Amino acid sequence: GNSVTQMEGPVTLSEEAFLTINCTYTATGYPSLFWYVQYPGEGLQLLLKATKADDKGSNKGFEATYRKETTSFHLEKGSVQVSDSAVYFCALSDHSGFNKFYFGSGTKLNVKP
Amino acid sequence: DAGITQSPRYKITETGRQVTLMCHQTWSHSYMFWYRQDLGHGLRLIYYSAAADITDKGEVPDGYVVSRSKTENFPLTLESATRSQTSVYFCASSADPPFAFFGPGTRLTVL
Repeated sequence: GNSVTQMEGPVTLSEEAFLTINCTYTATGYPSLFWYVQYPGEGLQLLLKATKADDKGSNKGFEATYRKETTSFHLEKGSVQVSDSAVYFCALSDHSGFNKFYFGSGTKLNVKP
Repeated sequence: DAGITQSPRYKITETGRQVTLMCHQTWSHSYMFWYRQDLGHGLRLIYYSAAADITDKGEVPDGYVVSRSKTENFPLTLESATRSQTSVYFCASSADPPFAFFGPGTRLTVL
């Protein structure tokens, strides 16, 4: 079956620190991979995506590379800001007839000034 | 309003009552989803739909009913609310290729 596993949080960093949030997946076929971000009191927003192996998704300084050989899609940012404090979800879509999405449990990021 | 909206945003109800959460999207996306978000569980899929009148159960469908008579609407009904259904509910829609847009959520409290 399909599933997504991401690192437990919370992750607490100082401003300008390097961020990595690990995400691995299990899927049949060739899924698309996503990172979503949820700010307090809001819904999920798409942060970045990758649709095939070796693709790199990027947005707002965040990056993630689709690694088929390690079934991973780790999120990275070189220098985090306080405004990046949020919950980050890794997800996959299996391109089934229903375009179902499978989410990890979320990783809370706290960035301190 | 363009996008995906949910109503109500907040709801308090009592055990045993029927509650309907509304979801409306303006993009004419074929696919729509209902998720619940609980601490420690992330997002869990309740029901999903590929088109009007085509729905199927997700991971946690017990106690919920959906309908989709029109492409733009996907209401979720709790037939007899229980305390365990206290949660934040998110509706989402998607087109092809998959790219899910989420509503702002409904925070439901069952007393």
